[in-house]
Amino acid sequence: DTAVSQTPKYLVTQMGNDKSIKCEQNLGHDTMYWYKQDSKKFLKIMFSYNNKELIINETVPNRFSPKSPDKAHLNLHINSLELGDSAVYFCASSQDLAANYGYTFGSGTRLTVV
Amino acid sequence: LAKTTQPISMDSYEGQEVNITCSHNNIATNDYITWYQQFPSQGPRFIIQGYKTKVTNEVASLFIPADRKSSTLSLPRVSLSDTAVYYCLVAGRTSGNTPLVFGKGTRLSVIA
Repeated sequence: DTAVSQTPKYLVTQMGNDKSIKCEQNLGHDTMYWYKQDSKKFLKIMFSYNNKELIINETVPNRFSPKSPDKAHLNLHINSLELGDSAVYFCASSQDLAANYGYTFGSGTRLTVV
Repeated sequence: LAKTTQPISMDSYEGQEVNITCSHNNIATNDYITWYQQFPSQGPRFIIQGYKTKVTNEVASLFIPADRKSSTLSLPRVSLSDTAVYYCLVAGRTSGNTPLVFGKGTRLSVIA
């Protein structure tokens, strides 16, 4: 069983479209995250949720809207996609906000905007 | 979140021990040091975490000197499958210390 699974793995879409990426964790963790890894390989946090509550919103454009229907799911919806949104998006989870046992990442979604 | 500095890349032959050092001069008293491994097309994977002295698990060892201003990840007898990017992260183990950015990491290439 995959601990943190995100779909789709690859996403190619045109500028201006709206797309969603789904993430689910079966670890029973309270906290979930979205990270973006750009072409320079920096992995930067976008959002974190703890028990469905938004904790971190790290200067991300309003076009990005996370939704957490329950603590096992954190989806990312992106409106009006732009070329600069092309990146690999990683979902992650941790036991709680303190993350004493580290973070468990999904395998990533490679988004290409053309 | 303490700033960290690691070598951009390292090469090693199979079977050798590899040591990757991370500098974190402004580490805070309550900060822990954590290392992650990332293979191509995968998310980072937790390897090891420590606070001081030495920590060892089935994958690696982590050496932290008394001043804690640096740490060294030691991978014994590497194999081709250890080729990956290794990230050093320094953060407190309390709520509100979520790492905002993982640095570029160290790209380790293991050669046959």
